[in-house]
Amino acid sequence: GNSVTQMEGPVTLSEEAFLTINCTYTATGYPSLFWYVQYPGEGLQLLLKATKADDKGSNKGFEATYRKETTSFHLEKGSVQVSDSAVYFCALSDVNNAGNMLTFGGGTRLMVKP
Amino acid sequence: NAGVTQTPKFRILKIGQSMTLQCTQDMNHNYMYWYRQDPGMGLKLIYYSVGAGITDKGEVPNGYNVSRSTTEDFPLRLELAAPSQTSVYFCASSYIQQRRGNSPLHFGNGTRLTVT
Repeated sequence: GNSVTQMEGPVTLSEEAFLTINCTYTATGYPSLFWYVQYPGEGLQLLLKATKADDKGSNKGFEATYRKETTSFHLEKGSVQVSDSAVYFCALSDVNNAGNMLTFGGGTRLMVKP
Repeated sequence: NAGVTQTPKFRILKIGQSMTLQCTQDMNHNYMYWYRQDPGMGLKLIYYSVGAGITDKGEVPNGYNVSRSTTEDFPLRLELAAPSQTSVYFCASSYIQQRRGNSPLHFGNGTRLTVT
């Protein structure tokens, strides 16, 4: 079956540091890949996505590239801000899944200190 | 534009009690979903619906029931609450035109349920 593995957190960084959150996946076929972000007390929001190999998703300074050869979709940001403190979820959606179900990783909490 | 609205935000139940978690969306989305989020774990799909009158089980459906009488509403029912159902519950919706997994989900803000 499908699965998503993320690095365990929390990840604690100082403001303006470089961020990488690793994500690898196992899936049949050619899934779409997503990063969702969850701010405290809120639901998940789509941060970025990529639908095919070598696509790069980007939003709000975050980037992730769909690497089929390494089955990875690592999230990066060059300079984090305190406002980026949140939980980040990597997810995949397999075109063969009925109902467009997402498979989520366990989430990685990011804490950015001033 | 309210998006996906869940009520209540918090609830404490005793073992064996029942309750309904409400979810409504105003985006005319055809797909709706219920997920639970346990500490340190990713979201697990409980039930989903591809349109009014159609529901199907997800990964962890035991102990729950759903209905979808309208496009807007997708309530989740717990009949006999158990401590294992202590979790944060998220409702989500999306609009799917083709069988291609690239439509983002819109999530509600969650319901935190404690069963003691």
